[in-house]
Amino acid sequence: GAGVSQTPSNKVTEKGKYVELRCDPISGHTALYWYRQSLGQGPEFLIYFQGTGAADDSGLPNDRFFAVRPEGSVSTLKIQRTERGDSAVYLCASSLWEQETQYFGPGTRLLVL
Amino acid sequence: DAKTTQPPSMDCAEGRAANLPCNHSTISGNEYVYWYRQIHSQGPQYIIHGLKNNETNEMASLIITEDRKSSTLILPHATLRDTAVYYCIARITGANSKLTFGKGITLSVRP
Repeated sequence: GAGVSQTPSNKVTEKGKYVELRCDPISGHTALYWYRQSLGQGPEFLIYFQGTGAADDSGLPNDRFFAVRPEGSVSTLKIQRTERGDSAVYLCASSLWEQETQYFGPGTRLLVL
Repeated sequence: DAKTTQPPSMDCAEGRAANLPCNHSTISGNEYVYWYRQIHSQGPQYIIHGLKNNETNEMASLIITEDRKSSTLILPHATLRDTAVYYCIARITGANSKLTFGKGITLSVRP
């Protein structure tokens, strides 16, 4: 079946702009996770949703980052007033339930100029 | 989650078994050992996980020591496509379900 998909695959923006990154989880998966990966590092947790609610947002670096999942399926990660340090690969993962195996999408490569 | 330690890199010859070690000496009884890999420019791919028994699937085998302080991921017949960064993760069961990645081990399979 279809895996986790993320759009866009690449995003180039200018410092100070607003960006939205989209994640389509595997159909039927109730848990959805966002991670961020900087060059040469492993992915770092940002936030996870169980259904429509954010169950743990402790990894969000600051209040410029926000994520929603209004209908319990698709999620959008929103970054306001982007900074060059936000440049990274943003990964989304989903799992059937919150304790089950997580399956990752291909990521969105964000470059802030 | 328990911290895991892996060597930074290793290599093996194509067609031979690749044995990737991981230390997790502070692992607790309710933490699973998960393995993911990440091929260049792709998202992490789930490989296998286990609690205390050895596990095998179509991709790999996972051998966990009896004291659970270390484990080995075995790719029985490595191919060039297995060249990737492999992450060993100790993941607690229960409410905290996020994955905590380290830097992983870079496996290079040579022809």
